[in-house]
Amino acid sequence: AQKVTQAQTEISVVEKEDVTLDCVYETRDTTYYLFWYKQPPSGELVFLIRRNSFDEQNEISGRYSWNFQKSTSSFNFTITASQVVDSAVYFCALSEVTDKLIFGTGTRLQVFP
Amino acid sequence: EAGVAQSPRYKIIEKRQSVAFWCNPISGHATLYWYQQILGQGPKLLIQFQNNGVVDDSQLPKDRFSAERLKGVDSTLKIQPAKLEDSAVYLCASSAELFGQYFGPGTRLTVT
Repeated sequence: AQKVTQAQTEISVVEKEDVTLDCVYETRDTTYYLFWYKQPPSGELVFLIRRNSFDEQNEISGRYSWNFQKSTSSFNFTITASQVVDSAVYFCALSEVTDKLIFGTGTRLQVFP
Repeated sequence: EAGVAQSPRYKIIEKRQSVAFWCNPISGHATLYWYQQILGQGPKLLIQFQNNGVVDDSQLPKDRFSAERLKGVDSTLKIQPAKLEDSAVYLCASSAELFGQYFGPGTRLTVT
């Protein structure tokens, strides 16, 4: 069965600190996709990244970076030099052949000035 | 390019009443999804359409929820009758290709 676990319910940091959000997934498929979405207080889900199961290269986009490790079934997300605007709930999600997204329970990140 | 549109943004109803939500996907997107997001949880897929047809409705409570997608464009999700546990945000998403879903702003439903 597919499952996504985000063990960190809430994280609080001070601006400019680095922060890592953890994501562990379970799937029996060899072909799957992993995602991160941001949900700011406005409520809309904002797509951040998609990674397929055959590409374990880490990715960096500005202050954001993602570390995908199949050996530990993890897809962690790091924000470098966090800013107040990064405050949101972040969701990790898994998709298999059917394209249905299975979401974790989310991690609420609060960045204080 | 216009995003996924949803209305209304907020709705308050009493239990046992009916309610309907509307979604207009991004132009050209063949696949449309409805998700339910209960407070403190991640979104859960209710139903997935590919053009007019239903791909997955395994988690849709069919005794009270129904959804349709007329002409493969707009979609309506209905709850009749509503229960207290239906209080949630209902998110619509669309995609033009596998694994690229774009979400609308959601409809926040409160059932009293």
